[in-house]
Amino acid sequence: EAQVTQNPRYLITVTGKKLTVTCSQNMNHEYMSWYRQDPGLGLRQIYYSMNVEVTDKGDVPEGYKVSRKEKRNFPLILESPSPNQTSLYFCASSFLMGISPLHFGNGTRLTVT
Amino acid sequence: DQQVKQNSPSLSVQEGRISILNCDYTNSMFDYFLWYKKYPAEGPTFLISISSIKDKNEDGRFTVFLNKSAKHLSLHIVPSQPGDSAVYFCAASSTSSGTYKYIFGTGTRLKVLA
Repeated sequence: EAQVTQNPRYLITVTGKKLTVTCSQNMNHEYMSWYRQDPGLGLRQIYYSMNVEVTDKGDVPEGYKVSRKEKRNFPLILESPSPNQTSLYFCASSFLMGISPLHFGNGTRLTVT
Repeated sequence: DQQVKQNSPSLSVQEGRISILNCDYTNSMFDYFLWYKKYPAEGPTFLISISSIKDKNEDGRFTVFLNKSAKHLSLHIVPSQPGDSAVYFCAASSTSSGTYKYIFGTGTRLKVLA
């Protein structure tokens, strides 16, 4: 089954404790992206990747890192999480950015205390 | 600066009637538009898209209309069903600008009453 898989689904952590949210897709998509969803703000892009070893900032990249060492994986790294990073995070992939739709994972709800 | 706006946070419609969800955009470079549906505890799922070379696209009960001069698109659901109750996001992208992102609206929560 074609899918985008994120782990974990839920995560509660404390300020400053490094964490990684994994994302994997099995559709051989070149484009992958991370979004956060906050009440009243919709989905905002954090980082995206056009292909292996090619990443770039989205609209809200501060406090996040990403890497794209393999085509299928695009982990999101929070080196020193802060409470304002409490949010619902979605990973997404697309075959051809801009003319084919994004396929989303089921989300990771992160709480930073 | 919200480039894609969904000005109605919520909408209630009777089962069997038409649901109309609206979306406005400000960037004239946008040329590809999508609608997503999102249920609680799930990721957004793609519904329907439209390119700026068209003004209408249909897929079953779902039709998207694009008015380029007004920078406005709408999603029509006919007939509405209780299972359509969800949050709907519109999104836009520019295939020619060299920026590789979809810009999403803030969503409209649709409730279809049985």
